Amino acid sequence: GAVVSQHPSWVICKSGTSVKIECRSLDFQATTMFWYRQFPKQSLMLMATSNEGSKATYEQGVEKDKFLINHASLTLSTLTVTSAHPEDSSFYICSARDRGTGGLGSNQPQHFGDGTRLSIL
Amino acid sequence: AQSVTQLDSHVSVSEGTPVLLRCNYSSSYSPSLFWYVQHPNKGLQLLLKYTSAATLVKGINGFEAEFKKSETSFHLTKPSAHMSDAAEYFCVVSDQNSSYKLIFGSGTRLLVRP
Repeated sequence: GAVVSQHPSWVICKSGTSVKIECRSLDFQATTMFWYRQFPKQSLMLMATSNEGSKATYEQGVEKDKFLINHASLTLSTLTVTSAHPEDSSFYICSARDRGTGGLGSNQPQHFGDGTRLSIL
Repeated sequence: AQSVTQLDSHVSVSEGTPVLLRCNYSSSYSPSLFWYVQHPNKGLQLLLKYTSAATLVKGINGFEAEFKKSETSFHLTKPSAHMSDAAEYFCVVSDQNSSYKLIFGSGTRLLVRP
């Protein structure tokens, strides 16, 4: 159980285009989803917390207009990298916390997707 | 503020020998601690979690970790390494002051020699 599906797994696109990444909880409902960015050989950096039905909470230094997050349902959150440039190339990972065992204030584990490798040419 | 420190960036062991990945935490509260594993170009998989129950926590794939409050440590161990254990391991604390967001250690790369 607790499967998180992230799509696509790999994207290569031209500079200036927008890219949408989907994160789905397949067998549970997630009030809260998280988006991370990971640079090569580094740890995960939290970009934003996505709350179903409300605006996302962004971490300091993350551009809200650059990284658009939508959490329209309890099983789907999307991250759109707008007008992507080579410096946006990275590995993006989403995670979800099971609503059934805890909401925003829970210390239950987060379940992670397999990540999206984004390469901007 | 809560934080975790992974003391080794790389650990190399021979197949069949024990594994020890070290993690120290800093927390004003009784922490919730996790170990996650990441294989290349993959997301993170939960190995085990500590949430103030038993101090010795057993996880998947033969891994376990012991919470030692006196030493502020949560080291990950496995009696016998397998080639498939080669991966990146993250020690993580849940930040109770910030909606239980996860705070990651810098990671330890485990290499397993044949």
